[in-house]
Amino acid sequence: KAGVTQTPRYLIKTRGQQVTLSCSPISGHRSVSWYQQTPGQGLQFLFEYFSETQRNKGNFPGRFSGRQFSNSRSEMNVSTLELGDSALYLCASSSGTGGLPSSYEQYFGPGTRLTVT
Amino acid sequence: AQKVTQAQTEISVVEKEDVTLDCVYETRDTTYYLFWYKQPPSGELVFLIRRNSFDEQNEISGRYSWNFQKSTSSFNFTITASQVVDSAVYFCALSDNFGNEKLTFGTGTRLTIIP
Repeated sequence: KAGVTQTPRYLIKTRGQQVTLSCSPISGHRSVSWYQQTPGQGLQFLFEYFSETQRNKGNFPGRFSGRQFSNSRSEMNVSTLELGDSALYLCASSSGTGGLPSSYEQYFGPGTRLTVT
Repeated sequence: AQKVTQAQTEISVVEKEDVTLDCVYETRDTTYYLFWYKQPPSGELVFLIRRNSFDEQNEISGRYSWNFQKSTSSFNFTITASQVVDSAVYFCALSDNFGNEKLTFGTGTRLTIIP
């Protein structure tokens, strides 16, 4: 099976711009989660989507948004970029069915390295 | 709120030595899941293990072993006979049981194996 893919791998944007990152989960996985990784804050949960619905959201401003399509592919968008948004954005997919018990192992993609100048 | 503490920021050991990475967690949930992930220099997080809170059996997988102690809220990871390829950042993570996949990560331990 192909792993989780993320595009683009690297991105350079200017403050005030917006950016869209894409994630294709492992085939058959319906849960997609997004994480932000920075040296200062570590790995932080952004949001999770399951069957096109956002199930959970982390503590990030409204500039961060996402969506999931019917084929489980997901996108996240950051509007009005700030310097502090420079980070590695990781996408993960799991075979979680949405019921309990939950928390299946998540498989991560290689990430998108976003640099805001 | 959930919390994961990895007190060891960096560890260096000589190749073939054993090394233990500590992980202490906090949660109010009675059912939860614990994970370990490896992040090599390439950046991709690699899944190592998932453990249910009701399963306190230790687990061994090759040179890797995990010690789960609910009484001390710890889930430690030991690498036996370390190799240079084990050099990476290792993350411990905790999830809840509320029907979602949110993970709370520790700050990670950077492990360097010296040849």
